[in-house]
Amino acid sequence: KAGVTQTPRYLIKTRGQQVTLSCSPISGHRSVSWYQQTPGQGLQFLFEYFSETQRNKGNFPGRFSGRQFSNSRSEMNVSTLELGDSALYLCASSLWTGDSPLHFGNGTRLTVT
Amino acid sequence: KNQVEQSPQSLIILEGKNCTLQCNYTVSPFSNLRWYKQDTGRGPVSLTIMTFSENTKSNGRYTATLDADTKQSSLHITASQLSDSASYICVVILSSNTGKLIFGQGTTLQVKP
Repeated sequence: KAGVTQTPRYLIKTRGQQVTLSCSPISGHRSVSWYQQTPGQGLQFLFEYFSETQRNKGNFPGRFSGRQFSNSRSEMNVSTLELGDSALYLCASSLWTGDSPLHFGNGTRLTVT
Repeated sequence: KNQVEQSPQSLIILEGKNCTLQCNYTVSPFSNLRWYKQDTGRGPVSLTIMTFSENTKSNGRYTATLDADTKQSSLHITASQLSDSASYICVVILSSNTGKLIFGQGTTLQVKP
């Protein structure tokens, strides 16, 4: 079974630009969640989608948004990029967020210059 | 405030030695606690998931314990190998219906030959 796939693997953007990251979950997984990981803050939860609906949201500004398609694939968008948005963005999929394990992708490394 | 604290922040041990990583949490309501291993440049991989009623769970050379009364968990690594060098992240899940995750900052383990 293929794992969680995130594209692109690396991305360099300029302040003020916007970026879209993509995540393809494990086949059959309907829950997709997104996380930001930085050396200073560690892993922080962004949001979670289930059956195309945002079910949970972390404490991030509205510049961070996402969506999920009918095939469970998900995208995350960050608008008006700031230097502090430089981070590793991880996507995870699961059958159900209750007691099901999260399966993470290897992330997209975003650098904002 | 819901928090997960891990100690030590970093650890260096010799190959073949055992070590124990700690996780203390102040999270309510509690659903389950998870330990993840994250290799450099990769996404986290699940090691164990423990619910309120479980005290010990093993995964090969990894053994996690949970004391729900004192709100403490530990991850014991036996006979360490060079491949155990990674960050170990403790994650506490709030009640199943919300699925909200609280992450610890992680412990970075380096195993030296």
